[in-house]
Amino acid sequence: DAGITQSPRHKVTETGTPVTLRCHQTENHRYMYWYRQDPGHGLRLIHYSYGVKDTDKGEVSDGYSVSRSKTEDFLLTLESATSSQTSVYFCAISESGVYGYTFGSGTRLTVV
Amino acid sequence: DAKTTQPNSMESNEEEPVHLPCNHSTISGTDYIHWYRQLPSQGPEYVIHGLTSNVNNRMASLAIAEDRKSSTLILHRATLRDAAVYYCILGNTGTASKLTFGTGTRLQVTL
Repeated sequence: DAGITQSPRHKVTETGTPVTLRCHQTENHRYMYWYRQDPGHGLRLIHYSYGVKDTDKGEVSDGYSVSRSKTEDFLLTLESATSSQTSVYFCAISESGVYGYTFGSGTRLTVV
Repeated sequence: DAKTTQPNSMESNEEEPVHLPCNHSTISGTDYIHWYRQLPSQGPEYVIHGLTSNVNNRMASLAIAEDRKSSTLILHRATLRDAAVYYCILGNTGTASKLTFGTGTRLQVTL
């Protein structure tokens, strides 16, 4: 997707290990979001950011932390991965926070 | 956050119009109506949004009821590439706005 990159695209990790997913944008948008998607649940918001060092929790934030030290990068960290965190993670950006979200291609995380 | 209700699935024939309904009876005056779609194995993509008036763009049209308690996404000529999950979402302006996705409508398009 133009202007937004997620890394890695795929990751397999063991239970109890820390994991960091990266979202990088080149659009200079103020708002960035992390969602997870699981079968039967649609997309659920984990955390979001409305500026550098300004973040807030979404509906499923337990077990996750985020950081945004510069406009272009939004990091999602699983401090101690659990099998319930096996999911596809999507990052999104928005200039206004309301219109026209642009999503990344997703990171498929498997915790074994 | 105000909620939306969509059918779980719909089917359409190729090259026919498709009307995807969405109910949002608790919509507030500042809520915009957004539509996104998610193609298989991809992230969601923006389709259209509106507040009170009907909206058209190259992808689709959005018809909003006069009382704003329902809306319809219209694909004028469905193609096989339009097979996706379509999400109807409410979101308003304000500090740190965020969109809450439901489970959407899975659209199947057949020849």
